Amino acid sequence: EIVLTQSPGTLSLSPGERATLSCRASQSVSSSYLAWYQQKPGQAPRLLIYGASSRATGIPDRFSGSGSGTDFTLTISRLEPEDFAVYYCQQYGSSPFTFGGGTKVEIK
Amino acid sequence: EVQLVQSGAEVKKPGESLRISCKGSGYSFTSYWISWVRQMPGKGLEWMGRIDPSDSYTNYSPSFQGHVTISADKSISTAYLQWSSLKASDTAMYYCAREGGWNSWFDPWGQGTLVTVSS
Repeated sequence: EIVLTQSPGTLSLSPGERATLSCRASQSVSSSYLAWYQQKPGQAPRLLIYGASSRATGIPDRFSGSGSGTDFTLTISRLEPEDFAVYYCQQYGSSPFTFGGGTKVEIK
Repeated sequence: EVQLVQSGAEVKKPGESLRISCKGSGYSFTSYWISWVRQMPGKGLEWMGRIDPSDSYTNYSPSFQGHVTISADKSISTAYLQWSSLKASDTAMYYCAREGGWNSWFDPWGQGTLVTVSS
């Protein structure tokens, strides 16, 4: 089973700042089969990024994903008020699919 | 619009059985796998398993194998997650999600079904 470790656990930033979230895998994620999701309180997760770097339909271009192998990054270039949420990475390259523990982006 | 609509919240006692549902609309239900994901209170996301609605082939996480059963009825575009004997530790929000294909990302997600197990 591929274990995904997200860091930091919590990121305290102000609107307009840049957010950099990390996701590290215990073994290589095949074909960059890595996704990022955003979850707000009381809501279902929403797909942001798939294939490590492709934005899902309707996702603003301030969200970008990068990385390969075992190290992946989600970057939010300029935080908007609606971006404060919890973010999860997920690998879907090998079963069992696994999620990281999440990074909470909170208002400083 | 592609949509997954889940059944409503449930309150059950330990030892009872339960089946919750996830109805797909706006797309060909048999063309996409459906996964189930657990989120315990205040915790992260855990993948439970998935089903190919075209032939009901299933694939479970070892953590959930034998504890739950995933099924589907393609005639009504609905997937199910069921328990034969609930425990208090099954208290959680359960989401269904559509996969884009074999080994694919999850999009969209259902709204979630809250299951509370308490004596």
